[in-house]
Amino acid sequence: AQTVTQSQPEMSVQEAETVTLSCTYDTSESDYYLFWYKQPPSRQMILVIRQEAYKQQNATENRFSVNFQKAAKSFSLKISDSQLGDAAMYFCAYRPYNDMRFGAGTRLTVKP
Amino acid sequence: NAGVTQTPKFQVLKTGQSMTLQCAQDMNHNSMYWYRQDPGMGLRLIYYSASEGTTDKGEVPNGYNVSRLNKREFSLRLESAAPSQTSVYFCASSERVSGANVLTFGAGSRLTVL
Repeated sequence: AQTVTQSQPEMSVQEAETVTLSCTYDTSESDYYLFWYKQPPSRQMILVIRQEAYKQQNATENRFSVNFQKAAKSFSLKISDSQLGDAAMYFCAYRPYNDMRFGAGTRLTVKP
Repeated sequence: NAGVTQTPKFQVLKTGQSMTLQCAQDMNHNSMYWYRQDPGMGLRLIYYSASEGTTDKGEVPNGYNVSRLNKREFSLRLESAAPSQTSVYFCASSERVSGANVLTFGAGSRLTVL
């Protein structure tokens, strides 16, 4: 059963615009962690941002921010002022304890 | 540069052959992981090692074995490769197996089984 769902296989955004990538997850746990990873064509997995479920405040890292809705089990990633270098696969991940589960990914294209 | 090193980067096998993927990290991390990445399925955990001397099954362990040789090294073995094991394999490490600890990934190993 898919624990983490990314409903958008592909997204595109104009350079300098804002885009939001969606992620939902299924859990009965109250304490867990959520992550967004970026995978450029080099194949390297790069952490973008993380969120602790016990924190109500949404995490922010420069142009990247999340909208964490715990009751709805939703964890979307907003990329502001999109840059060409943001083009990549983006994976949402959920970690209750010792197993990090990934979604299927969203391929983001940035148009100049 | 400090990080996670995987070898080989590419490998082609025939059905039934065996091989071992090697992984080493130099960050003094306690926990290490093996994932496989398939199109449309994200990354799926094969095995993990919470600390030296321990290993545990992940989501898709069938057809694989692992060895945590020491704190630095964690190898993945395919005893009798099958076409279904064609995939990109990632090794990762973190300070602890749980919590908000970030996983640091290797560059991946592309395996093709004919």
